[in-house]
Amino acid sequence: QKEVEQDPGPLSVPEGAIVSLNCTYSNSAFQYFMWYRQYSRKGPELLMYTYSSGNKEDGRFTAQVDKSSKYISLFIRDSQPSDSATYLCAGTGGFKTIFGAGTRLFVKA
Amino acid sequence: DAGVTQSPTHLIKTRGQQVTLRCSPKSGHDTVSWYQQALGQGPQFIFQYYEEEERQRGNFPDRFSGHQFPNYSSELNVNALLLGDSALYLCASSLVRDRYTDTQYFGPGTRLTVL
Repeated sequence: QKEVEQDPGPLSVPEGAIVSLNCTYSNSAFQYFMWYRQYSRKGPELLMYTYSSGNKEDGRFTAQVDKSSKYISLFIRDSQPSDSATYLCAGTGGFKTIFGAGTRLFVKA
Repeated sequence: DAGVTQSPTHLIKTRGQQVTLRCSPKSGHDTVSWYQQALGQGPQFIFQYYEEEERQRGNFPDRFSGHQFPNYSSELNVNALLLGDSALYLCASSLVRDRYTDTQYFGPGTRLTVL
């Protein structure tokens, strides 16, 4: 079993839709959780960094962590074609960060 | 504010050769982590360096080695290249913390192709 599981998609939505991206994890030691956006052939770009359970909002993005169910979510409001990318979730409890395989998102104009 | 930079951008090598990849961390950062990202996969942790020493290592063979310099820049060396080493190699920098890795910022990566 992978430490971080993520549906690879692809997920296709119309412009303006609310997007929900999800991950599950198995490592109980994880305390910090991250979402990165990666465009094709580029390095990952940090979107959200959260500690333990709860919600964090930044503009159109909201990250949720539920440690009791080991579930991580990212919501994107008013999605734009420029949001089309691969979204990576990750967790860390020490120096090692474990990533999911990424979900490909397509936002159609 | 300079972000994370990596060189070279692309590299083509043949099996059995050795390669060195370079990384300069974001200004003010002192910790460097290296990742391997195969096509269609998430980044996999190779190792992390702080104060010129390896702090933690992922599940990679000894063919993968690294170095950190006093100016916090870092190198990743891979010996005896295999076809399966073809991937995007990512460097990420962060500020040191005692027991965990703080927010990491990634460079653009070096795409290595092994023929």
